[in-house]
Amino acid sequence: QKEVEQNSGPLSVPEGAIASLNCTYSDRGSQSFFWYRQYSGKSPELIMFIYSNGDKEDGRFTAQLNKASQYVSLLIRDSQPSDSATYLCAVGPARQLTFGSGTQLTVLP
Amino acid sequence: EPEVTQTPSHQVTQMGQEVILRCVPISNHLYFYWYRQILGQKVEFLVSFYNNEISEKSEIFDDQFSVERPDGSNFTLKIRSTKLEDSAMYFCASTRTGGGTEAFFGQGTRLTVV
Repeated sequence: QKEVEQNSGPLSVPEGAIASLNCTYSDRGSQSFFWYRQYSGKSPELIMFIYSNGDKEDGRFTAQLNKASQYVSLLIRDSQPSDSATYLCAVGPARQLTFGSGTQLTVLP
Repeated sequence: EPEVTQTPSHQVTQMGQEVILRCVPISNHLYFYWYRQILGQKVEFLVSFYNNEISEKSEIFDDQFSVERPDGSNFTLKIRSTKLEDSAMYFCASTRTGGGTEAFFGQGTRLTVV
């Protein structure tokens, strides 16, 4: 049984700060990792994915993967109030994603 | 931008009734999925569907659930005899391949069983 763990938060950061979201996973053989954003009552929206160890940057978002530690993180730079949402970590393969419970982020103006 | 569309957005049904939730996946995608999210809980995988058959399913996807691709565009989830605990958001998703490509989710159907 795959497990994906996230700090449930809530996490509050001031506008313009860096938000750091963390995720650990149990299946050492996992190869693909995804970050989704979910606004209340809405569907998950893909932010980015990462397959290789190291960092992957996309605009204000950076995903970090450390397979040896079974750890994935998401950094949001220059956080905006519109970033306030629940962030879901998901472990692949894409045909059967396992989601964490999400971290609720609030960006304070 | 292509998107996954689901209907209806909200369905209320009486316990014991059958419901069919409908989805139109992205047109060039080959893999289709159903997930559910009980209020306040994790998004949970139910089933994946490829080449007109179920490729993987979770323990949640028991005999009361079935999926079908009745034509070239629609993908449906049927719940035969609904229970109160089936109340949840049901999300349809699709991917171009079954490996590392990203899954795109529809806006969801909120099912309320009374």
